[in-house]
Amino acid sequence: EVQLVESGGGLVQPGRSLRLSCAASGFTFENYAMHWVRQAPGKGLEWVSSINWNSGIIDYADSVKGRFTISTDNAKNSLFLQMNGLRTEDTAFYYCARDMFGGGVRGVSDYWGRGTLVTVSS
Amino acid sequence: DIVMTQSPGSLAVSLGERATINCKSSQSVLYNSDNKNYLAWYQQKPGQPPKLLIYWASTRESGVPDRFSGSGSGTDFTLTISSLQAEDVAIYYCQQYYSTQLTFGGGTKVEIK
Repeated sequence: EVQLVESGGGLVQPGRSLRLSCAASGFTFENYAMHWVRQAPGKGLEWVSSINWNSGIIDYADSVKGRFTISTDNAKNSLFLQMNGLRTEDTAFYYCARDMFGGGVRGVSDYWGRGTLVTVSS
Repeated sequence: DIVMTQSPGSLAVSLGERATINCKSSQSVLYNSDNKNYLAWYQQKPGQPPKLLIYWASTRESGVPDRFSGSGSGTDFTLTISSLQAEDVAIYYCQQYYSTQLTFGGGTKVEIK
């Protein structure tokens, strides 16, 4: 059974950093592209970042470019999101999701974690 | 970025009746080289992550009931629930993957009338 479990969320002050993790199981992690998608409480979905199977293709939303860094550790079947310079508008549930088409970043997510809440507030 | 606009923002439908959700993209998401529309639909129930329903605009994901169908091409798309069930109460999102800058519609909330 495919499982994605996010962790690392919490309350952080503006300008500080946070690192999110997503532990994957039930599939061959290194064969898939992965995504981070966020959702502010009560709001819609916003794509944040994508990474392909070998980390050779990485993309970010303009709203986080230069502040967030996506990465993977295939040995640990894990996806990460390093978030620096956090702003109040980054407050959201952060979901990791698997790309259904395998290693290339295509953009359709067939499995999602339950999310981890990041709250940026002073 | 490709802007996705959904309508209506919410709708209330009687059990067993049809629900229709529209999604319009600011530019075509039809890729000429493979003649595929790079458009997906997701369902999100309260307190849950999104669930993939449809991709390539009309291909149903495995396990999704056949009362859900997707149609459209180019810039205009529709998600239809042919006979609304109580468990279909949710927010539905369209998403384009034509551009690597993925974008979602604002969502349509479906309720029981």
